[in-house]
Formats: sequence, C-alpha cells, structure tokens
Amino acid sequence: QKEVEQDPGPLSVPEGAIVSLNCTYSNSAFQYFMWYRQYSRKGPELLMYTYSSGNKEDGRFTAQVDKSSKYISLFIRDSQPSDSATYLCAMRKTGANNLFFGTGTRLTVIP
Amino acid sequence: EAGVAQSPRYKIIEKRQSVAFWCNPISGHATLYWYQQILGQGPKLLIQFQNNGVVDDSQLPKDRFSAERLKGVDSTLKIQPAKLEDSAVYLCASSLESRGADTQYFGPGTRLTVL
Repeated sequence: QKEVEQDPGPLSVPEGAIVSLNCTYSNSAFQYFMWYRQYSRKGPELLMYTYSSGNKEDGRFTAQVDKSSKYISLFIRDSQPSDSATYLCAMRKTGANNLFFGTGTRLTVIP
Repeated sequence: EAGVAQSPRYKIIEKRQSVAFWCNPISGHATLYWYQQILGQGPKLLIQFQNNGVVDDSQLPKDRFSAERLKGVDSTLKIQPAKLEDSAVYLCASSLESRGADTQYFGPGTRLTVL
C-alpha cells in the first residue's frame, strides 16, 4: 500500500467551476501537508501549506486537512484556464524533510 | 531572486551508458534534494544534502547512482550504467533550512530517456 494515494484523473471542468482534489494517507506521523502545482515541463511549485488539521484559505484556494480520517483536500473556486496543471499533494513528518508525494491529479479547465 | 537551475533539460542515452545532471540551488540555501519523477507518478526523493553532507540517501540505488555536492553549493547526480527504468524527470530542489516548515523550491528538471 502506498503511503499517499491520489486519484490521477484526468479531471476536466468548465471555467468557473469549483474543483475538489483529494488525497488519502496511511501514516499517522504525517504532520505537514502541502499542495504543489506542476505545469507541463516545469518543476512543482508550492501552492498551499497546512500544519496538522484544519482549513487554510488563500484567494481562490482552500486546503483542508482531516487527520482523523487521514484525508486532505484542495478546493479551487472560480476555476480559470490558467489553473490547468497537475496538482500534487505532499506530506512529511515532524523533524524530517522527506516529502511523500501523491501521484498527482491532472486538471484541465475548459474556457 | 533566481530559481533553482538545472542542466541539461533533456537527455537521450542508450542503456548501459552513463549520464550526469547538474543543479545550482537558490543562493544561500543549505539543503539540496534530488528527486526522481517517473511519468504518471509523484516525485520520489533520491538524496538530500545539508551543505555538502548527505542527510538521507536511503532510496538512492547506490549500485548505479551517485551524487555529490562539492563546497555545499552545486550538485551533480550521475547514473552509471543507465537502465531502461531510469527514464524519468530528475528534479533538483533546495530549501533554506532542513527542518520544520521550510519550503522546497524545485527546478525545471532534466528529462532523461533511456533507449
């Protein structure tokens, strides 16, 4: 069993839709949760970062962590064509640097 | 601020050949990482350096992969000999520190194709 599971998609939505991306994990030692966005032929860039459980909002993006269910989510409101990319969840344990990534979900926002 | 630089961007080699990748991290970043990203998968950590010392190389296939970070700045990752399954994007990342909530900044990657 992989430590981090993510539906690879692909996911296609019309412009303006609300997008929900999710990951599940098995290791309860994970405390730091991140979402990276990766455009084609580019390296991942950090989009959202959350420590432990709770919600975090940044503009059109909201990250949620539910540690009791070992489930994290990223919501994108009013999606734009420029949001078309692969979204990777990542997580790590306290005091460690090794990031454990999901497989990534490929998102296309259709104008 | 300049980002993480990597070269070459693309490389095609035949199996059993050797190849080397280069990474220049963001200035002042003490920690440097090499990741392997196989098509359709998330990045997997190969090795982590803190300055010029190795912190974690538990997932580095040491029979064929080697990496060094001389003078605690630039780094090279080498594969010798390459196998078909080494075809992937090799990502370099750097961070200011090595613990806690520090952000890792990724380079554009080197796409390796082994024929």
